[in-house]
Formats: sequence, structure tokens, C-alpha cells
Amino acid sequence: DQQVKQNSPSLSVQEGRISILNCDYTNSMFDYFLWYKKYPAEGPTFLISISSIKDKNEDGRFTVFLNKSAKHLSLHIVPSQPGDSAVYFCAAISSGGYQKVTFGTGTKLQVIP
Amino acid sequence: DTGVSQDPRHKITKRGQNVTFRCDPISEHNRLYWYRQTLGQGPEFLTYFQNEAQLEKSRLLSDRFSAERPKGSFSTLEIQRTEQGDSAMYLCASSSFRTAAGEQYFGPGTRLTVT
Repeated sequence: DQQVKQNSPSLSVQEGRISILNCDYTNSMFDYFLWYKKYPAEGPTFLISISSIKDKNEDGRFTVFLNKSAKHLSLHIVPSQPGDSAVYFCAAISSGGYQKVTFGTGTKLQVIP
Repeated sequence: DTGVSQDPRHKITKRGQNVTFRCDPISEHNRLYWYRQTLGQGPEFLTYFQNEAQLEKSRLLSDRFSAERPKGSFSTLEIQRTEQGDSAMYLCASSSFRTAAGEQYFGPGTRLTVT
């Protein structure tokens, strides 16, 4: 049962343009949502998070939007840079308890110079 | 602070053999997690330690898997009688009460290949 879904396995964007990565979830108990970035041969790196009580969180070029009614979140990267090329995992936790992270299957972003 | 380290980075073993992996978390982190990642999937939770206590185990962690964290520092994950289906990347992560909800620091992983 895939509780966090990323339906786009890959995405290509021109440098300087906006990258939009999408994610859907099914578990209503999730109350924090996260994005992790992963480069080859490295572990995932935390990028940005959003609490379920918010609908937007911004950190520099990265903005995460949350639509609770649709159980959907997205990550916007503006402007996209070649160094952003990586696999992006959408993830979620229930903050009560042990905070185990439930990951999606990932979207491979390629930013073309 | 050198981050989370894992050893070995790669392990090739024959089916039926036992393997053990080590994880050294960030020194002040009292929470430690093990995840498993297979090709095309995201990391899947295996087990969680708070200090030396193992507080949660996934159903993915069969009886052949055992994890320890003696003295609440480094952790080991042992797989007995390995099967080809155990081939995966095994990731360790750590965090503390001070880190943001869900923010975990991952090691580079140990890639296991069972032949």
C-alpha cells in the first residue's frame, strides 16, 4: 500500500525555468510533509518541510505547497539550476510517535543547461 | 561533525551467508533509524532506536534481521541466512529532539548484493 505517491518518475526542465514536482498521499494521519533530495552514491538530504496547518512554506528557491483537501503537495524550484538535478523524494510523517518517514518512489529531475 | 557514516559501503555475499552492517550516527543524535531502498523505490522504514532502546520494528524486518544499538551510540544491522530478495541499499539515519519534525540525517548507505 503506497501511502505517498509520486506519479512522475522523471522530469526535464530548462535551466532558469520553474520545476514543479508533484506528490499525493492517502494517509490522513500524516501531519508533516517533507521533500528530500538524493544525489547518486549519497544518502537522501532533507530539503524542506511543511506542517499540515500551513498551505505554503518557502525557503529560497524552494517552495512547497500543500492542499489538504486534495491530499496533494508540490515542490516548486525557481529558478532551476543544473545542480538541482537529482532524485526528489516526497515524504510524510505522523509527528506523534517515532517520526518514521514514509517516502514516495521519487522523481528524477534533470535540469538542462 | 562528520555526518552519519556507514560501513561497509558495498557488500557482496552468497545466499545463505550472514552479513552485518554498521552505522555511526551524528554524535549528539539519540534517534537512529534503519531504512531499506530497492531499485525504483523510496526508502522503506525498518526499525527505530531511541538511545539504546529499539522502539519500533517494521513488518519488513523478518526474523532473519536483527538490529542493535549498544550504549546508544553506533548501531549494527545483521541479516542471517541472506536471500536474493535481501539485495538492496540499507540506509541509516539519525536525528535528535532538536531537529525539525521529519528531518533526518542519512548516511551514504550500504549496498548489499546477494548472489
